[in-house]
Amino acid sequence: DAGITQSPRHKVTETGTPVTLRCHQTENHRYMYWYRQDPGHGLRLIHYSYGVKDTDKGEVSDGYSVSRSKTEDFLLTLESATSSQTSVYFCAIRGGSGLGNEQFFGPGTRLTVL
Amino acid sequence: GIQVEQSPPDLILQEGANSTLRCNFSDSVNNLQWFHQNPWGQLINLFYIPSGTKQNGRLSATTVATERYSLLYISSSQTTDSGVYFCAVGGVGETSGSRLTFGEGTQLTVNP
Repeated sequence: DAGITQSPRHKVTETGTPVTLRCHQTENHRYMYWYRQDPGHGLRLIHYSYGVKDTDKGEVSDGYSVSRSKTEDFLLTLESATSSQTSVYFCAIRGGSGLGNEQFFGPGTRLTVL
Repeated sequence: GIQVEQSPPDLILQEGANSTLRCNFSDSVNNLQWFHQNPWGQLINLFYIPSGTKQNGRLSATTVATERYSLLYISSSQTTDSGVYFCAVGGVGETSGSRLTFGEGTQLTVNP
């Protein structure tokens, strides 16, 4: 357990509404990531953060924004949700110096956009 | 970007059988991880293995970085081994090394 929680765990929303997902970690890790997983596929990177207020895009960043105002929280926002953003969203952290580049994942948030 | 291919896509075993899962990748890596996604969707870290060989109980993994592949061995399989096994890699380089590229997974079903 890498001390990662995600909220909410499940959410149903309507097209066009804003949605914010939260990732919270308790172990002061510098790197945090947001991935999405679609049926029958592996995870794909949306955005990641390498420090407070330092973020960068991943391979599927269109339609998403992120913010990291403090080390422990990394927020993913869908400004205007679309049905194509129905997915399971996973947050991850990158382990500390003793763990090298190893990433650990949170429990996921299942988002349905109607 | 780096490409990751996993094989086989599906595997059905009888309890007690052994299996080998393969992961091929297209470029040099400084991170390679194997995960098990259980039927509840949880991603469980199995191995962090950018090179070399590791063992953990009935599971072991080998990465041959120079030939760009990794193998996950499951021995004496149990029904609880069922789920999807993912290989994920991080390419060499300060930026690309921060992210993981996932393969599409191997769906393993172990029947009693």
